[in-house]
Amino acid sequence: DTEVTQTPKHLVMGMTNKKSLKCEQHMGHRAMYWYKQKAKKPPELMFVYSYEKLSINESVPSRFSPECPNSSLLNLHLHALQPEDSALYLCASSARDRVSEAFFGQGTRLTVV
Amino acid sequence: AQTVTQSQPEMSVQEAETVTLSCTYDTSESDYYLFWYKQPPSRQMILVIRQEAYKQQNATENRFSVNFQKAAKSFSLKISDSQLGDAAMYFCAYRRKFYGGSQGNLIFGKGTKLSVKP
Repeated sequence: DTEVTQTPKHLVMGMTNKKSLKCEQHMGHRAMYWYKQKAKKPPELMFVYSYEKLSINESVPSRFSPECPNSSLLNLHLHALQPEDSALYLCASSARDRVSEAFFGQGTRLTVV
Repeated sequence: AQTVTQSQPEMSVQEAETVTLSCTYDTSESDYYLFWYKQPPSRQMILVIRQEAYKQQNATENRFSVNFQKAAKSFSLKISDSQLGDAAMYFCAYRRKFYGGSQGNLIFGKGTKLSVKP
């Protein structure tokens, strides 16, 4: 199983809503990532979790709150977002001690209205 | 800090022809990984090919091959016998190796949009 599964695939939310994005992998990877991607741009790193601990936060606003409840699951909690936060949110995972490629999910297309 | 540069925002190729996408990078490290990822309109980033810096032999995956020039810090992707399904955004990416507590997140170039003409 070399899949990273992200849900939902599409999400429309108002600026006062609270929602969560979910990411799951069963490859035994101990590093998991959240990226934000705007149209026609490369992915931008947001957060890195290593062994379920947050190891990198790329100065992301607090309205984005990551969570890693276990080694297979990664969540991104969203609250009070702005229209400019509309983007594709990609989750990825990779092996930590033997570097291999990162495996990406299909992403969640988020629209903030 | 490491950087990755893709100087071709868009490229076009005729079906069945060969096309080369360029990528250069900058790093002070001697051991690292380089990748080409493909992102079709379906959005998922798919690994096309990877190269380990300490390996001199250029990586090959079916119709995809790279020209890795370590001294020149160049990593181009050649697609042979182009197919309509190759149309996508292609990202070159760099990744340092893990040592101890370091993290191996990817550093991406800006991407090259490849169109394939029938």
